[in-house]
Parts: sequence; structure tokens; C-alpha cells
Amino acid sequence: AQTVTQSQPEMSVQEAETVTLSCTYDTSENNYYLFWYKQPPSRQMILVIRQEAYKQQNATENRFSVNFQKAAKSFSLKISDSQLGDTAMYFCAFFVYNTDKLIFGTGTRLQVFP
Amino acid sequence: GEEVAQTPKHLVRGEGQKAKLYCAPIKGHSYVFWYQQVLKNEFKFLISFQNENVFDETGMPKERFSAKCLPNSPCSLEIQATKLEDSAVYFCASSQSTLGPHEQYFGPGTRLTVT
Repeated sequence: AQTVTQSQPEMSVQEAETVTLSCTYDTSENNYYLFWYKQPPSRQMILVIRQEAYKQQNATENRFSVNFQKAAKSFSLKISDSQLGDTAMYFCAFFVYNTDKLIFGTGTRLQVFP
Repeated sequence: GEEVAQTPKHLVRGEGQKAKLYCAPIKGHSYVFWYQQVLKNEFKFLISFQNENVFDETGMPKERFSAKCLPNSPCSLEIQATKLEDSAVYFCASSQSTLGPHEQYFGPGTRLTVT
């Protein structure tokens, strides 16, 4: 069975600083995808970034980047130049190729302080 | 449409009553997924559809939950005889495919409160 673990229930960071959210996963599959979703207080799920397991290069989307370590089964999210609007729950999620369900971690609540 | 639409936004039911939630996937998306997010923020997969066919229903508590995706109609998730523990936010998501680069686009959710 696949599992996703987010070991940091809460994190905080000052505006303009950098913060890293941790995620580890467990699977015996070789073809899969990893995602970070943001859930602000509105509860809307917003896709932040995606990483294909077969790609060695770490994905980057503007201020968001990942550190994907396939052998260690680690997928951390780095947020640079944090903004107040980054305050939200962040969920790491895992998806096996040609299946269907996303498997989510338990989330990390990020608070950005002015 | 360009977004996943879910109705209603909020639903309040007394224990034992029926609840029905609706989801309109993004036009052109073949796959629909239902997830339950309980108050602890944990997501639980319920069921998925490929067009009108059930793709995976391993997460469904079948004795009270049922779901459908019929042609030319919104998908629906129905809970018969709701229980207090059914209180949660129910998310619908859709995707074009389960092959290759995959993204599930989420609707805004329906908050179900069972009293």
C-alpha cells in the first residue's frame, strides 16, 4: 500500500523568507507522480506543483520548487520569498500511473507572518 | 465549463436523513473522483468514474453511499441515512486521463453537516 507522510503539522515563516515543507512517501511502484496542493481557508484545493517520478530534474513554478529524492522517497516543497497569501494548508499527494486515486498526506499548516 | 462545479456549497441534515451532492466536471474530462475531507483534514478517496462507468469504488461505504455519473447530467453522490461521522467536506475532482501527466482539478467542495 502507498502512504504519504507529512511530519510537520504546522510551520511558520516571516514574509519574504524561505520555508521548506517535508513529505515522504512509500511505494513499490516505479511510475508515479507527486503533487503539492494548497488549501487556503476557503477550502479550495489549488495545485501548486507537480513532479513526474521519471524526471530527475526538480520541478519549479515561480517561487515554488521541489527537492525530489527518488531513492529516499522524499519530496519537499520550498517556498521562496514567502507572501502573506501563501498562508494555507499544504498537502503532499501521490498518484500511481494508470490508477486513479490521489493519496494525500495529513497536511502542513503554514502561517506567513508580516 | 472550465471549472469543476459542486452544489450545494453547504448542506445540513438531521441524522438519518438523506443527503445528495452534485458535481459537474470540466468539459472534456473523462474521469470524476469523489473525496471526503473530515475535520482533521484527512482526505479519503471514495469513488471514481470513467465517463458513466465506475472505475474504482474501493473507498465507498456501500451500505449507505452511492454515486452516479449519467450522460448529460451532473454526477451525484448520495448518502442514505446520514450519520454524525458523515460530517465532512466532500470534494469532486476531474481529470482528462489517468495516463501520462495527470492533474486532478478540484471543485470548491460541499460542506455536509449532520446534526
